[in-house]
Amino acid sequence: NAGVTQTPKFQVLKTGQSMTLQCAQDMNHEYMSWYRQDPGMGLRLIHYSVGAGITDQGEVPNGYNVSRSTTEDFPLRLLSAAPSQTSVYFCASSQDGATNEKLFFGSGTQLSVL
Amino acid sequence: AQKVTQAQTEISVVEKEDVTLDCVYETRDTTYYLFWYKQPPSGELVFLIRRNSFDEQNEISGRYSWNFQKSTSSFNFTITASQVVDSAVYFCALDVDFGNEKLTFGTGTRLTIIP
Repeated sequence: NAGVTQTPKFQVLKTGQSMTLQCAQDMNHEYMSWYRQDPGMGLRLIHYSVGAGITDQGEVPNGYNVSRSTTEDFPLRLLSAAPSQTSVYFCASSQDGATNEKLFFGSGTQLSVL
Repeated sequence: AQKVTQAQTEISVVEKEDVTLDCVYETRDTTYYLFWYKQPPSGELVFLIRRNSFDEQNEISGRYSWNFQKSTSSFNFTITASQVVDSAVYFCALDVDFGNEKLTFGTGTRLTIIP
């Protein structure tokens, strides 16, 4: 059972480039989310999804897009990368967001924008 | 708005000592959930405990224990007889949004256990 899988693990971008961070889970979880982790700031919610076809914004959504076409996948898109988006990104999932169960996290993607 | 404060940025203790990590939260909601997550040097986040606001009983799991006090809005975490494997960053988190699971995390406490 792979759990939550994030790719890539590391990425370096130039300002203005676009890319997609991939996230997949094989636990048939309805709820998925993206967080970014910055030094001294903990984790902050970017976007989340309560099921296929449904997404919503979190605390820091600007500069990021998401979609949820399947239950398994929840990609995070950076349309025009900026240095302020240098961070570690974590994808998470849970069985059902309505019951506030624990989150299962991926291993993270370390992104540097030059 | 919700807020979680972990005032201890870094703590170092010698192995086998007990250590308490503090967590203070702010919310106007009467129903909420509190969590602790561990982030070891490998980077992944590991769930430790979930507690709802109606359950103030303290919990013990092996060397780990949690003290939840609504009167002081605190949810502190104690490791007894610490071990080197306990070295990690520990995050406290708060969730008040039923149905959407939008966690507010504290800034974390980096715990180093010295052999």
